[in-house]
Amino acid sequence: DQQVKQNSPSLSVQEGRISILNCDYTNSMFDYFLWYKKYPAEGPTFLISISSIKDKNEDGRFTVFLNKSAKHLSLHIVPSQPGDSAVYFCAASAIAGNMLTFGGGTRLMVKP
Amino acid sequence: NAGVTQTPKFQVLKTGQSMTLQCAQDMNHNSMYWYRQDPGMGLRLIYYSASEGTTDKGEVPNGYNVSRLNKREFSLRLESAAPSQTSVYFCASSERASGWVNEQFFGPGTRLTVL
Repeated sequence: DQQVKQNSPSLSVQEGRISILNCDYTNSMFDYFLWYKKYPAEGPTFLISISSIKDKNEDGRFTVFLNKSAKHLSLHIVPSQPGDSAVYFCAASAIAGNMLTFGGGTRLMVKP
Repeated sequence: NAGVTQTPKFQVLKTGQSMTLQCAQDMNHNSMYWYRQDPGMGLRLIYYSASEGTTDKGEVPNGYNVSRLNKREFSLRLESAAPSQTSVYFCASSERASGWVNEQFFGPGTRLTVL
C-alpha cells in the first residue's frame, strides 16, 4: 500500500503558465516533505522541502503548499519554463527516522 | 567534488549470475542508501547505512546484501540475480540518518537488466 501517492503520471503545461503538481499521503507520522526533480539518465536532485509546522515554503519560482488536515501537498512552478520538463517526485519522512518514502512521480512537460 | 558516484552505469546479467554495484561519496556524509526505481513505483529503499559500521533493511531488501566498506563507500550485491531485479538502482547519501531530516544526494544510477 503506497503511503505517498502522486495520482497524475503526467502533466503538460504551456511555457509561462503555472504548473501544479500534487501529492497525497496517508501516514500521519510524516512531518517533513520534499520534492525532487529528475532528468533522464540522471539521479534525482533536491528541489524544495517543507516541515509540518509550516503551510507554505517558497524558493524563487517554486512554492510548496502543505494541507495537513487533507494530507495533501502541492508544488507550484511559476512561470513554467521548458527546462522544468522532468519527472518530479514527492517524498515524505518522519523526522525521527529520516527515511524517505517516495511517490511514483509525475512527468512534467513544458511546451514552448 | 564529484558528489555521489556509481559504477557501472549499465549492466546486463543472466538469471543466477551475481554482481556488486559500487557507490562512493566525497561529501563526508555519515549516511548512505540504496534505492531501486521501477516505473510508477517511485524510489523504494533497499538498504541503508546510518553510519559507518551499521546497515539496516529498507522496504525491499530481499535478494540483496550490502557492505559499508568505509565512510565513503557503500556497495550493493546481488548474489543470484532474478528478472524481477531488473531496475534502475540509485545510491544516495546524507549528513545523518536520524534525529533530523536532511536532503539526500543521489548518484546517476545503474541500469540493470536481468535476462
